[in-house]
Amino acid sequence: EDQVTQSPEALRLQEGESSSLNCSYTVSGLRGLFWYRQDPGKGPEFLFTLYSAGEEKEKERLKATLTKKESFLHITAPKPEDSATYLCAVGSGTYKYIFGTGTRLKVLA
Amino acid sequence: DAGVIQSPRHEVTEMGQEVTLRCKPISGHNSLFWYRQTMMRGLELLIYFNNNVPIDDSGMPEDRFSAKMPNASFSTLKIQPSEPRDSAVYFCASSPLGGSTDTQYFGPGTRLTVL
Repeated sequence: EDQVTQSPEALRLQEGESSSLNCSYTVSGLRGLFWYRQDPGKGPEFLFTLYSAGEEKEKERLKATLTKKESFLHITAPKPEDSATYLCAVGSGTYKYIFGTGTRLKVLA
Repeated sequence: DAGVIQSPRHEVTEMGQEVTLRCKPISGHNSLFWYRQTMMRGLELLIYFNNNVPIDDSGMPEDRFSAKMPNASFSTLKIQPSEPRDSAVYFCASSPLGGSTDTQYFGPGTRLTVL
């Protein structure tokens, strides 16, 4: 069964304190690994797509990496505006997405 | 572009009532998805449309749920009759023409509360 598990469920960081979020997955036929950011009261906002093990993508203070079993979202020197829920999803088949339940990140000033 | 538009943003209804959620996808997008989000289960795919045709409705919980896409610019999700366990945030997402459904653009969601 396709499954996505994110850890930790919640994370509190001081401004400037770097850390990583984990997304482990099992899927038959990975189409891609996706990261989204979700702010309270809003829909998820697309961040990255990773397609193969070893691939990395960066955007500002965020860097996503992918292995055959998991993905990491590294946050370098976070700021309070990085506070949000970060969702990981795997693409299965031609159109399905299986989402994890997310990591709630709070960055304190 | 205005992005994906959903209405209403909030809906409070009583058990047994009919609820209709509406979605306007981004113009030119040929794929549309309806999701339900709860704290316990996260985001769950309910139904997927491609070129206005329902391709996969296996995520629809039961016969009380139905979805339509009469044209490329409008879709509805209907719950009849509604039950308290249907309380959740419902999202609509669309993806662009060209074959790639990798980038989904989500609407702001409809928060449904069934009393």
